[in-house]
Amino acid sequence: NAGVMQNPRHLVRRRGQEARLRCSPMKGHSHVYWYRQLPEEGLKFMVYLQKENIIDESGMPKERFSAEFPKEGPSILRIQQVVRGDSAAYFCASSRGQEGDEQFFGPGTRLTVL
Amino acid sequence: AQSVTQLDSQVPVFEEAPVELRCNYSSSVSVYLFWYVQYPNQGLQLLLKYLSGSTLVKGINGFEAEFNKSQTSFHLRKPSVHISDTAEYFCAVSRPRGRRALTFGSGTRLQVQP
Repeated sequence: NAGVMQNPRHLVRRRGQEARLRCSPMKGHSHVYWYRQLPEEGLKFMVYLQKENIIDESGMPKERFSAEFPKEGPSILRIQQVVRGDSAAYFCASSRGQEGDEQFFGPGTRLTVL
Repeated sequence: AQSVTQLDSQVPVFEEAPVELRCNYSSSVSVYLFWYVQYPNQGLQLLLKYLSGSTLVKGINGFEAEFNKSQTSFHLRKPSVHISDTAEYFCAVSRPRGRRALTFGSGTRLQVQP
């Protein structure tokens, strides 16, 4: 029973390029959450999605960042025109969506912007 | 809005000694409480959670936590730690009947020494 999968595990981009991070939730989970962890800090919520819907994007930066969770395929977090400050670990979590449910976390994608 | 404070950024302890990792939260409404552990270069794993009921919650790997509503605390304890418990520990809250996103503390690095 595979857990939450994220790829790539490591991603290097130059300033101005685009970064695409992928997340496949656990089997049976239809709710996905994205979090960002800056060095030496805790995780900060970015966005919460259900299939084909954005439920809560209150933590997403207003520009350059977008997320989707299509009917088929993984959830994608997209960062356009990356800057050095985007360097961080990006974690995806999934759940069944019931109140109080555990969120199961993936191993993360470590983005480095040169 | 809610917030989580983990007062200790690092806790060094000798193997087989007891440990307590402190967590305080602030919220105008009731919350669900969680403790997660993060091993180096990995995602987060749930140790335990409090939703309602008994204020003493037992989790995996011998950890337990006690919810204290008057103190707004949810401290994590283990009576005897092992070298393998060396990791980063995060306290988190979420709101019932609403926003599912987790709000994390800044983390406590537990360093178990032989």
